[in-house]
Formats: sequence, C-alpha cells, structure tokens
Amino acid sequence: EPEVTQTPSHQVTQMGQEVILRCVPISNHLYFYWYRQILGQKVEFLVSFYNNEISEKSEIFDDQFSVERPDGSNFTLKIRSTKLEDSAMYFCASKRALANYGYTFGSGTRLTVV
Amino acid sequence: DAKTTQPTSMDCAEGRAANLPCNHSTISGNEYVYWYRQIHSQGPQYIIHGLKNNETNEMASLIITEDRKSSTLIRPHATLRDTAVYYCIVRVAGSNDYKLSFGAGTTVTVRA
Repeated sequence: EPEVTQTPSHQVTQMGQEVILRCVPISNHLYFYWYRQILGQKVEFLVSFYNNEISEKSEIFDDQFSVERPDGSNFTLKIRSTKLEDSAMYFCASKRALANYGYTFGSGTRLTVV
Repeated sequence: DAKTTQPTSMDCAEGRAANLPCNHSTISGNEYVYWYRQIHSQGPQYIIHGLKNNETNEMASLIITEDRKSSTLIRPHATLRDTAVYYCIVRVAGSNDYKLSFGAGTTVTVRA
C-alpha cells in the first residue's frame, strides 16, 4: 500500500536554528498538508498546498514557517528560527483529487527544540 | 464544520466488536462524517466516511442514524492493535482541498 514518507523521524535542534522537515507524498496525490501535535494535545492543522501554492494556512503558520515542493516529489516544511514551543510531532499528509477522499498521513517527525 | 462529541475513553475485549459513538447534532445536509484513528505516536489513519447511508470497508462499518445527528463506528473483531485514539470529524462535502479539525477523540483500549 502506498505510503507518505517523512524524514527524519526525530530531529533535535537548538533554539533559533532553522530546520527543514521532509516529506514524500504519494505519487498520484495532488493535495498536501502539514499538521502538528504538541505532546498530549490535539492534532492541529498548519497548512494546505495545492498546485504549487498555499491554499489555506492556520494562525499557527506565521512568517517563520514556509512550505515548498521543490522537485515534484518532495514536500518540505521549513521553520526559520525555531522556538521551544515548536517542539512537537509534525505530520505530513497527502490526498487524491477526489473531493471526499480521506487523507494519508506520514508517521511524523518528532522535533525537539532545546 | 459541525462540532462532534465523543466519549473520552472506552474499553473493549479482544475479539469483540468495538462500537464507538459520535454525536453531531448540528450536522447539516452537506456535511460528511469521517473517522480516523491514531495509534500511539503514529500519524492519524483514515478509516471510513459517510454522508447518510451506512458504509462498510475492510476496516470498519459506519452506521449513521436516519436524522444524521449521530453515528457509530463498528470495528467488528477488535484486536490489541486496535488500541488507539479514534476521531470523529464532520466536514462540508464538495471541496477537493479541505482541512481536518481534530478533537480529543475517544481513547479505545482493547484488553486481552
């Protein structure tokens, strides 16, 4: 069964450093998403991406966040200057074009900011 | 999107059916009911969705009441690997690009 692949599985970074989280969505999917989950809290929407542009973003997704699909296969989330409160599991997801189809999520990257 | 209400937790015996209720009394006619689950430390996993008819797939069955104000997810023969948080999510149909609003879900523990 096709999978969404995320790397690395765990990233530790110092506060103020830039991090890039990587995702390889399922190849025939057209809609891409990032969600995050702070330990013990709900899964929260960050951003959706379609046709090489952001289609929706949440209040969490401020100027320190950016997304990119640089080569037609990878989908990245960059956090420019990490803060302690950015520590969370970050999940990438992708979806087919059919309107009501479910998402496929990756297994996540655990980001720890120290 | 309409709000959903789920029990905080429930236990289920291995091999028995797990019946997970969800209340969505303010659901409107064009809103679908989706179910996802999240096994510990993994990404959420899509299970099933429906509009008004009951639905079944290889993972579960979804029973939606006639007035659509509530639904039940049924996992017919629960195994220990079905221990997870189960999320019931309602969203408007028709948009190709949509976000999911996760609540706290129901923590299901399957016991041997």
